[in-house]
Amino acid sequence: GAVVSQHPSRVICKSGTSVKIECRSLDFQATTMFWYRQFPKQSLMLMATSNEGSKATYEQGVEKDKFLINHASLTLSTLTVTSAHPEDSSFYICSAKPYVLNTRQGESGPGRGGNEQFFGPGTRLTVL
Amino acid sequence: RKEVEQDPGPFNVPEGATVAFNCTYSNSASQSFFWYRQDCRKEPKLLMSVYSSGNEDGRFTAQLNRASQYISLLIRDSKLSDSATYLCVVTGLKTSYDKVIFGPGTSLSVIP
Repeated sequence: GAVVSQHPSRVICKSGTSVKIECRSLDFQATTMFWYRQFPKQSLMLMATSNEGSKATYEQGVEKDKFLINHASLTLSTLTVTSAHPEDSSFYICSAKPYVLNTRQGESGPGRGGNEQFFGPGTRLTVL
Repeated sequence: RKEVEQDPGPFNVPEGATVAFNCTYSNSASQSFFWYRQDCRKEPKLLMSVYSSGNEDGRFTAQLNRASQYISLLIRDSKLSDSATYLCVVTGLKTSYDKVIFGPGTSLSVIP
């Protein structure tokens, strides 16, 4: 299957610092990447959808000025948690949807294999 | 009402048992459906897609009922390694991108 990497896997920082998390699709291109947050014993919550070359779309209740997303290329999206506080401590996971070329000549578009997403291994952020 | 709801669990079953998980979704425009498995402190991994015709992969069977907006996952002959949280995932078009909604998950513990 397709591989998505995240870096760093774990980060501990002081309150007030900014933390940058990278999400890379290693063997495919992704026009769309998603950022999730998961608190202990809770499900994944979609924070934002990152689209290559355009502004990210944030879910309700997610501060776009606090969680900066940049999708600079078809294989890289970054999430920056600005001025992190202890309540931002969480497991942050990215996912990516492959952008595939259809077999019919000249056609391309989002992956048509059932909209499968491939997840990164996650980044565990602890803010002291 | 939450967009995706699942059995609260946890399910504690003996090895060899058959267990069924249910999931309901509220948006009738939803297009794709999946079951993911998540082990403790790890990322979710795709278990199987769910089709209207139903699909089976070894001990796992998934069903979709669009009319009732209901998805199910059946695990037969449970193994210890099946212990995990099972997430129902629904996607559908929202403006220019596919929005993905995760259910809260159902925890399964298979006991020796």
